[in-house]
Amino acid sequence: SQKIEQNSEALNIQEGKTATLTCNYTNYSPAYLQWYRQDPGRGPVFLLLIRENEKEKRKERLKVTFDTTLKQSLFHITASQPADSATYLCALDPHGANNLFFGTGTRLTVIP
Amino acid sequence: GAVVSQHPSWVICKSGTSVKIECRSLDFQATTMFWYRQFPKQSLMLMATSNEGSKATYEQGVEKDKFLINHASLTLSTLTVTSAHPEDSSFYICSVPGAGQGGDEQFFGPGTRLTVL
Repeated sequence: SQKIEQNSEALNIQEGKTATLTCNYTNYSPAYLQWYRQDPGRGPVFLLLIRENEKEKRKERLKVTFDTTLKQSLFHITASQPADSATYLCALDPHGANNLFFGTGTRLTVIP
Repeated sequence: GAVVSQHPSWVICKSGTSVKIECRSLDFQATTMFWYRQFPKQSLMLMATSNEGSKATYEQGVEKDKFLINHASLTLSTLTVTSAHPEDSSFYICSVPGAGQGGDEQFFGPGTRLTVL
């Protein structure tokens, strides 16, 4: 069966450290993988998209890697801040048709 | 990016009644919109693809007769939960895809919290 798993349900880190979140998938061959941030009671907000032929993507303090052999994406937040505390979701677009299938999410807490 | 609104932001209804949720793309014409459902402490589940001027496409396991979708204009899609029951209580979120042909970011609405008593 198809699965998208984010290994840590919750992750606590100290302010200033780098947070690393993991997204693993099985039985998908996605052309794209996306990362979203969701705050409680709100809709997700887009952060980064990475394509299957890209190894790494960066945006300010964010970095995403995509290993199609391992079927894994890593999401890094450097110099983390308490304002980065939220749930982070990875999402696959298996057919390039904008139908997104979401991972289970990781709730990140950055401790001051 | 697109600005997406939803109305209402929350609704409480009695079991057996129908509830309509609106999703509007305020500054972007959308031939396609998506409806998701999110139960507490779970991730988003794609329910259906709303297509302007044609029938919606439902994901496996989603009852099309229970979750009626209408996409009558390029800026409005509605989701009607018919004969709602307590198990339909959830957070319903719509999204609008970006302007590219595929794999673009999606712009999500703020969500509608439905509670069925």
